[in-house]
Amino acid sequence: EPEVTQTPSHQVTQMGQEVILRCVPISNHLYFYWYRQILGQKVEFLVSFYNNEISEKSEIFDDQFSVERPDGSNFTLKIRSTKLEDSAMYFCASSVLSVGPGELFFGEGSRLTVL
Amino acid sequence: KNQVEQSPQSLIILEGKNCTLQCNYTVSPFSNLRWYKQDTGRGPVSLTIMTFSENTKSNGRYTATLDADTKQSSLHITASQLSDSASYICVVSGRGGSQGNLIFGKGTKLSVKP
Repeated sequence: EPEVTQTPSHQVTQMGQEVILRCVPISNHLYFYWYRQILGQKVEFLVSFYNNEISEKSEIFDDQFSVERPDGSNFTLKIRSTKLEDSAMYFCASSVLSVGPGELFFGEGSRLTVL
Repeated sequence: KNQVEQSPQSLIILEGKNCTLQCNYTVSPFSNLRWYKQDTGRGPVSLTIMTFSENTKSNGRYTATLDADTKQSSLHITASQLSDSASYICVVSGRGGSQGNLIFGKGTKLSVKP
């Protein structure tokens, strides 16, 4: 069964360092998303991406964050200068359709620990 | 403010028993409501998706109900198994919003004991 894959599964970094989290969405999907989940809290939407541009983003997704699809298969989330509060599980998701009750498939997540 | 509230926060049941998890939301206008299962340290996995016109939907031993008038949903798990131990998350999408901008509840942590 096709799945969304994410790497790394766990990354530890020093505050102020740049981090890139990678995702390979399901191959025929057109819409890509990043979410985060701080330990013990609910999942929060960060950004949605379609046709090589951001289609929607939340207040959390400030100038420290960026996304891109560098090679047609990978979908990356970059955090330019990490802060302690960026420590969280980051989930990538993809879907065939955008609006409506379409299925949204999540990856297993990348756990980011900022020291 | 659009919110999704779930109860109980946690629940412990014995294997083989049934249980019902609750979800109340204030999202308006409403498009659809989803229930996800999230194992510890893993990504959410979809159980059911219901639109405004659907009152109930089943997926194996999982049955979700939706009352769009009272803005309530429930997830009923029948004949629980040890593998049902997980967090169950209610997620609501407002009409007109993108699929990505879903509003998540905090989840109910279910523990099934032998």
